[in-house]
Amino acid sequence: GESVGLHLPTLSVQEGDNSIINCAYSNSASDYFIWYKQESGKGPQFIIDIRSNMDKRQGQRVTVLLNKTVKHLSLQIAATQPGDSAVYFCAEKSLNFNKFYFGSGTKLNVKP
Amino acid sequence: EAGVAQSPRYKIIEKRQSVAFWCNPISGHATLYWYQQILGQGPKLLIQFQNNGVVDDSQLPKDRFSAERLKGVDSTLKIQPAKLEDSAVYLCASSFYTDTQYFGPGTRLTVL
Repeated sequence: GESVGLHLPTLSVQEGDNSIINCAYSNSASDYFIWYKQESGKGPQFIIDIRSNMDKRQGQRVTVLLNKTVKHLSLQIAATQPGDSAVYFCAEKSLNFNKFYFGSGTKLNVKP
Repeated sequence: EAGVAQSPRYKIIEKRQSVAFWCNPISGHATLYWYQQILGQGPKLLIQFQNNGVVDDSQLPKDRFSAERLKGVDSTLKIQPAKLEDSAVYLCASSFYTDTQYFGPGTRLTVL
């Protein structure tokens, strides 16, 4: 049978509210970060990225904030919609190792 | 632009059987990745190719898993023999070099 993985933290928000999803990373040498959205039965989908020489980057309805001092990354989704319901992963990469490490994910539930 | 293609989408096998997955990356992408995603967890890198060479296979269980990318385009990932704990989604991703990765839909493997 299937392995049982870690229980995903879940964030429930009302449709129309703003959502904030957080991610802590451990490698101070990480210099590139990506947020992915994964809907049930699909592969992760790129949302937005940020490099370590920036502390904020905005896309359409999404903003990523990077705090290198405390090694924290956040994804803000404005006016959350039912279609935003998914699992969100942050991924980090460093020049030293040149590969991505994924966090465990946060499940976002949007209530109509 | 066509995305990353994977097949099959689903596979059910019994333990000790063999299975193979296929991936066709985005045209022009030099780097191809295979990830294993266990339920409730983030993707874990199994192997990374750049063109037809292996860049990183440090987390590939080489006693049972193998992968190849002979012509630097398509890739196959094989498991022989499968164990119960191999039940997972196997994701293929590609990138131009080592920047943003684009994922395929994945193959959901169930080992009984």
